[in-house]
Amino acid sequence: ILNVEQSPQSLHVQEGDSTNFTCSFPSSNFYALHWYRWETAKSPEALFVMTLNGDEKKKGRLSATLNSKEGYSYLYIKGSQPEDSATYLCATGGTSYGKLTFGQGTILTVHP
Amino acid sequence: EAQVTQNPRYLITVTGKKLTVTCSQNMNHEYMSWYRQDPGLGLRQIYYSMNVEVTDKGDVPEGYKVSRKEKRNFPLILESPSPNQTSLYFCASSLSAFGNEQYFGPGTRLTVT
Repeated sequence: ILNVEQSPQSLHVQEGDSTNFTCSFPSSNFYALHWYRWETAKSPEALFVMTLNGDEKKKGRLSATLNSKEGYSYLYIKGSQPEDSATYLCATGGTSYGKLTFGQGTILTVHP
Repeated sequence: EAQVTQNPRYLITVTGKKLTVTCSQNMNHEYMSWYRQDPGLGLRQIYYSMNVEVTDKGDVPEGYKVSRKEKRNFPLILESPSPNQTSLYFCASSLSAFGNEQYFGPGTRLTVT
């Protein structure tokens, strides 16, 4: 089983703060890195999927980078809003094509 | 509307009584997958399917079966449920396994007593 680690486990920020999370994963046999946002009582929702080393993706105030050679990805949130409060999950495959292993997530709370 | 549906959404059952959780997608996706979510353990993959008649084990396949006879459907079968299978289950689909975002169903809350 792949070891996918996310840090920090939880984070409290004030509205307007910018923040970032880390996802670390084994760099061997890498084929894709996913980021998902998961709000309480809802289903996970895709944010980004990155496949190439050096990939950078952006969606509104959120952006993500990938360093697949060294096995890490960052998710950035610029100017956090209370509606950004959620659990942010990363996932990667590697041991076999189609298999996907999730990290335990970073719980973000944005205080007004 | 593009979606992944699961049924039932909630189920309470007893140990040993066979059950099936259905999953269906209307997006013509090749890839489908089942996950379970347990407190402190995150989302763990049970089984996945790259296409019709092609299925493979995820990280926690014990006690589960799947089949993929049609592209749109990917049922999860618990032949003899046990209390340790009490969990929140999610089905997901994506265009393909490589580099495509997954769309998740609404989840099925299963309790085995």
